[in-house]
Amino acid sequence: DVKVTQSSRYLVKRTGEKVFLECVQDMDHENMFWYRQDPGLGLRLIYFSYDVKMKEKGDIPEGYSVSREKKERFSLILESASTNQTSMYLCASRSGGGRNIQYFGAGTRLSVL
Amino acid sequence: EDKVVQSPLSLVVHEGDTVTLNCSYEVTNFRSLLWYKQEKKAPTFLFMLTSSGIEKKSGRLSSILDKKELFSILNITATQTGDSAVYLCALAGGTSYGKLTFGQGTILTVHP
Repeated sequence: DVKVTQSSRYLVKRTGEKVFLECVQDMDHENMFWYRQDPGLGLRLIYFSYDVKMKEKGDIPEGYSVSREKKERFSLILESASTNQTSMYLCASRSGGGRNIQYFGAGTRLSVL
Repeated sequence: EDKVVQSPLSLVVHEGDTVTLNCSYEVTNFRSLLWYKQEKKAPTFLFMLTSSGIEKKSGRLSSILDKKELFSILNITATQTGDSAVYLCALAGGTSYGKLTFGQGTILTVHP
């Protein structure tokens, strides 16, 4: 079974703090993704990575950055957290090739006060 | 830009009812359409559809794709309280990196 693990289920931070969200997958998947999920908006792609040290912007990258130094780990960084970044953050991974199934972590609910 | 619209946004039924969830889409380069179920945790994969008219089935759940009319439906028969969840429709189009475009989700509540 694919396992995608996000380091925290709940996180509370203050405005202006630097925030790191960590995601680890155990299936040697090439592609990894970060989404945020807000009521009525569904999942929106923030960034994705198709290989180690490779990254591409998704639909809503502003205010975020990412790091992928090892294949199994993909980090989302909020350089200076703001209240509008309060959300559920979901990490996913996918093997390369033609199959489009993404496997998700349990999510991190981030509150920025 | 790819787009996915789900309807209804929420649905309340009683155990034993049959429900149909809808997903319509616009896409430049269709690869596949996926359905996920999300309870209070990670979305879990249900179905991937690539061809029109071929029903995918798993127990009481089934799904079908119409690539001409650009929609998919997810049917759940004899609903149970454990079916209560958010159902997500996602479109894989465009690049080969497997990016998914998600709909807003349908919140299904099944009462005993």
